[in-house]
Amino acid sequence: RKEVEQDPGPFNVPEGATVAFNCTYSNSASQSFFWYRQDCRKEPKLLMSVYSSGNEDGRFTAQLNRASQYISLLIRDSKLSDSATYLCVVNKRKPYSGGYQKVTFGIGTKLQVIP
Amino acid sequence: DTEVTQTPKHLVMGMTNKKSLKCEQHMGHRAMYWYKQKAKKPPELMFVYSYEKLSINESVPSRFSPECPNSSLLNLHLHALQPEDSALYLCASSQQQGPGNTIYFGEGSWLTVV
Repeated sequence: RKEVEQDPGPFNVPEGATVAFNCTYSNSASQSFFWYRQDCRKEPKLLMSVYSSGNEDGRFTAQLNRASQYISLLIRDSKLSDSATYLCVVNKRKPYSGGYQKVTFGIGTKLQVIP
Repeated sequence: DTEVTQTPKHLVMGMTNKKSLKCEQHMGHRAMYWYKQKAKKPPELMFVYSYEKLSINESVPSRFSPECPNSSLLNLHLHALQPEDSALYLCASSQQQGPGNTIYFGEGSWLTVV
């Protein structure tokens, strides 16, 4: 089983729709979680961190479910500019490394918002 | 705009060439990273520097040689590469090297090995 799993999509949604992505992780020792956005031929950019209590930033809401080991991203009122690949990132402390983190990226979920 | 700058943005090199990729950040971050990304794949970690010391080498072939001259600079020296090494090379930094620290990426250097 992969450490971080995402549905690669693509998710094709009309403008204005609400879309949700999930990401599951296998290691219960995982400590911090992020969503990154990557546009075609560009670098990944931080979209938002994911906190245990859930967090919202405008049209974007992120949730963490530690019991079921998944994180989610909800995008409301989709815009054309939301079209991108959304990468789930999971960090945990690397064993026997003096506190260093192991950062694992999911394969990314591609979102295409259609006019 | 990213605060991690990488040069060059594009590089074409032959298999016998020696070249370097450069990365700079002025955010006072003490952890810096090199990632490699192939098309339709997530970034793969290559190296991590923490406080200018190499802390993680993810079993990267020796034809890739990282260097951290100071806390703001990170280089990746390339020698005798193979065509399959063609990829986007991403430099990144974070405040510290530990869980919970957000990683910020540069725009990347597109490398083509011919």
